[in-house]
Amino acid sequence: QKEVEQNSGPLSVPEGAIASLNCTYSDRGSQSFFWYRQYSGKSPELIMFIYSNGDKEDGRFTAQLNKASQYVSLLIRDSQPSDSATYLCAVPTSGYSTLTFGKGTMLLVSP
Amino acid sequence: DAGITQSPRYKITETGRQVTLMCHQTWSHSYMFWYRQDLGHGLRLIYYSAAADITDKGEVPDGYVVSRSKTENFPLTLESATRSQTSVYFCASSGTGNQPQHFGDGTRLSIL
Repeated sequence: QKEVEQNSGPLSVPEGAIASLNCTYSDRGSQSFFWYRQYSGKSPELIMFIYSNGDKEDGRFTAQLNKASQYVSLLIRDSQPSDSATYLCAVPTSGYSTLTFGKGTMLLVSP
Repeated sequence: DAGITQSPRYKITETGRQVTLMCHQTWSHSYMFWYRQDLGHGLRLIYYSAAADITDKGEVPDGYVVSRSKTENFPLTLESATRSQTSVYFCASSGTGNQPQHFGDGTRLSIL
């Protein structure tokens, strides 16, 4: 049973649109959630984290957490071609001091 | 500059050889991690360390050895490389185990 699930995509959106990336997790006790962006051939880069239910906004990025439904979303407003990357969701691994990463969703933003 | 650095960036070796990948961080983070990333598998944890002289296995530890004699260094050794260990290897660090991890630039390892 996978602990963190993401749709592999690709998710294709036109420039200027809102991109919505979703992640579901299995551990109801999870308290923190992280979103990473990974460009092709590069390392993962932390872009957002969220600890409590609701929304957290940072520039064009909004993380949304719904603990009751066990999903966390990342919204990217005014998507740009430079946002084209794979987005990884990460959740603390139950019982361990590590993170479990989803396999990532590839986002393609077309000009 | 502070950060986390991996070396080498690229490595080609032959099956059966020993190879060591280096990781060095300047944040004084307690936790350090080694991942491999392969198409279709995502990031998989190999080993991690909570502090100097404390290491634990991750999801895919077989064929790998780690050590951590100093807080800032966490080398990963493939004692007898196999083709299945061809991958991109990432080192990461964090202040605690459940805090955000920060990644190095990775080592692309090819085993012929």
